Amino acid sequence: GIQVEQSPPDLILQEGANSTLRCNFSDSVNNLQWFHQNPWGQLINLFYIPSGTKQNGRLSATTVATERYSLLYISSSQTTDSGVYFCAVGSGGTASKLTFGTGTRLQVTL
Amino acid sequence: GAVVSQHPSWVICKSGTSVKIECRSLDFQATTMFWYRQFPKQSLMLMATSNEGSKATYEQGVEKDKFLINHASLTLSTLTVTSAHPEDSSFYICSARDWGGLSYEQYFGPGTRLTVT
Repeated sequence: GIQVEQSPPDLILQEGANSTLRCNFSDSVNNLQWFHQNPWGQLINLFYIPSGTKQNGRLSATTVATERYSLLYISSSQTTDSGVYFCAVGSGGTASKLTFGTGTRLQVTL
Repeated sequence: GAVVSQHPSWVICKSGTSVKIECRSLDFQATTMFWYRQFPKQSLMLMATSNEGSKATYEQGVEKDKFLINHASLTLSTLTVTSAHPEDSSFYICSARDWGGLSYEQYFGPGTRLTVT
């Protein structure tokens, strides 16, 4: 099956800093989502982005499908951004089925 | 829009008993729902795909007789953990795809934390 790796695994930032999270996948995809898992476990949809670039406030994401990676940018980070960020992908006829990456654990400090 | 609920949010049960977890899509219809499992500080692993009106499809290594899935309507899927044991303790999360949606985007429930004593 498809392999999904995220980097870095852990990230500590001061409030106000910017960061880039990366998601590499081993095969072509037609489904890619970024999530933020909050401390209570809820997965919050950030982006549905199988290709191209999207922006939502301080967050933006880019997927380069031909090179099999996606990037999540967080600007002017806030303490509420803390948590785990997952990318998840689906491919081919089973694109609905998501394979989750390993996650990036982000801690934003004052 | 695109809200998915789960009930209960947490449950403690004794070893050998069964537990049912409900997953509902509140403002859309979902012919397909998914059940995931997450252990502490790990990623989510897909357990099964729940199809409305038909049998669930289980991922390799998931015991279908232990994790019973029923998708009786376009807005409700249930996961029953039968004869639960302490190793079944985990965080169970469901997701749903909007039947009328144009994309593969999934929406996730808040999860159910199961502790088996």
